[in-house]
Amino acid sequence: KQEVTQIPAALSVPEGENLVLNCSFTDSAIYNLQWFRQDPGKGLTSLLLIQSSQREQTSGRLNASLDKSSGRSTLYIAASQPGDSATYLCAVKDSNYQLIWGAGTKLIIKP
Amino acid sequence: EAGVAQSPRYKIIEKRQSVAFWCNPISGHATLYWYQQILGQGPKLLIQFQNNGVVDDSQLPKDRFSAERLKGVDSTLKIQPAKLEDSAVYLCASSLDQWEQYFGPGTRLTVT
Repeated sequence: KQEVTQIPAALSVPEGENLVLNCSFTDSAIYNLQWFRQDPGKGLTSLLLIQSSQREQTSGRLNASLDKSSGRSTLYIAASQPGDSATYLCAVKDSNYQLIWGAGTKLIIKP
Repeated sequence: EAGVAQSPRYKIIEKRQSVAFWCNPISGHATLYWYQQILGQGPKLLIQFQNNGVVDDSQLPKDRFSAERLKGVDSTLKIQPAKLEDSAVYLCASSLDQWEQYFGPGTRLTVT
């Protein structure tokens, strides 16, 4: 059974720092991995989607990597800003085309 | 392009009462999903529709939860009767194909 873990559960860093969020999964048989952002009281916004054949995806200050063999993905945020404060979730699409989710990392960027 | 719409945004009910949530997916999206997200956890898929047929409802507590998608567009999710542990955010998502899902703002349910 696929399980997705995100560590740490919460992270607080000063504005301007670069940071890395981690996601691990137990079964390497995935179609893709997505990183989402969730703001309080709002839905989920897709940030980056990495297909299983890809190693990384970039969008602006965000870079996501995927190492399927080790069951790991990282989300790198460069030059963090207070507006980046949110909960970040990763999800893998498993062999049944279902999204299996991590519990998220709550990120706080201190001005 | 309009996004996924959900209503109500918030609902407070007492245990044993009934509640219904509504979702309007992105136009043209054949697949519709309902998720339950308990505070501090990732979303859990409750039910997936392809047009108006059910693809997966294996995690839907069928003794109290029901969902329908008449005409293959809008969908409603109902809980009857509600329990305290049903307090959560209920998210609706839709997709054009099997790859990317688009999420609505969610309905936050509090059962007292």
